[in-house]
Amino acid sequence: DQQVKQNSPSLSVQEGRISILNCDYTNSMFDYFLWYKKYPAEGPTFLISISSIKDKNEDGRFTVFLNKSAKHLSLHIVPSQPGDSAVYFCAGTQGGSEKLVFGKGTKLTVNP
Amino acid sequence: GAGVSQTPSNKVTEKGKYVELRCDPISGHTALYWYRQSLGQGPEFLIYFQGTGAADDSGLPNDRFFAVRPEGSVSTLKIQRTERGDSAVYLCASSLMASGPYEQYFGPGTRLTVT
Repeated sequence: DQQVKQNSPSLSVQEGRISILNCDYTNSMFDYFLWYKKYPAEGPTFLISISSIKDKNEDGRFTVFLNKSAKHLSLHIVPSQPGDSAVYFCAGTQGGSEKLVFGKGTKLTVNP
Repeated sequence: GAGVSQTPSNKVTEKGKYVELRCDPISGHTALYWYRQSLGQGPEFLIYFQGTGAADDSGLPNDRFFAVRPEGSVSTLKIQRTERGDSAVYLCASSLMASGPYEQYFGPGTRLTVT
């Protein structure tokens, strides 16, 4: 039973355009969500997070939106840059638990 | 500053052998986590330490897997009687509890191949 789902294995966008990565979750107990970026042969790098009491969090070019009623979150990257090409993982966690539950990831390719 | 380091970076072993994977967390980080990432999957939680004790080991798949953190810093993940299904990248992460419990910093991982 996958609690965090990233249904798009890959996404390709042009440099300068918006990248939108989607994530759905089934565990209604999750109250904190994170996005990680992973380059080949490296460990995941923390990107941005959002608490369930918010519906939006912004950090520079990166914005995460949370729709609790739909159990859906999305990561927007504007403008996209070639260096953003990586695999992006969505993760959820439940208050009091240190365990992150990850999706399978979406491979983003930003073309120059 | 130094990040999370893991050794070895690659390990090839024969089915049935014993392996140890090491993790050096960021200095001062009190929490340490182990995850396993199989091909095409996201990282899957194995075990979490707060200090020297295992606070949550619910992700360990069976009793062939064991982890220790005797001095509250370096951790070793031990796998007995390895099986081909154990082949994966084993990721270690650490976090500084004072800055919030959820921002985990990952190492580069150990790629384990069981032949």
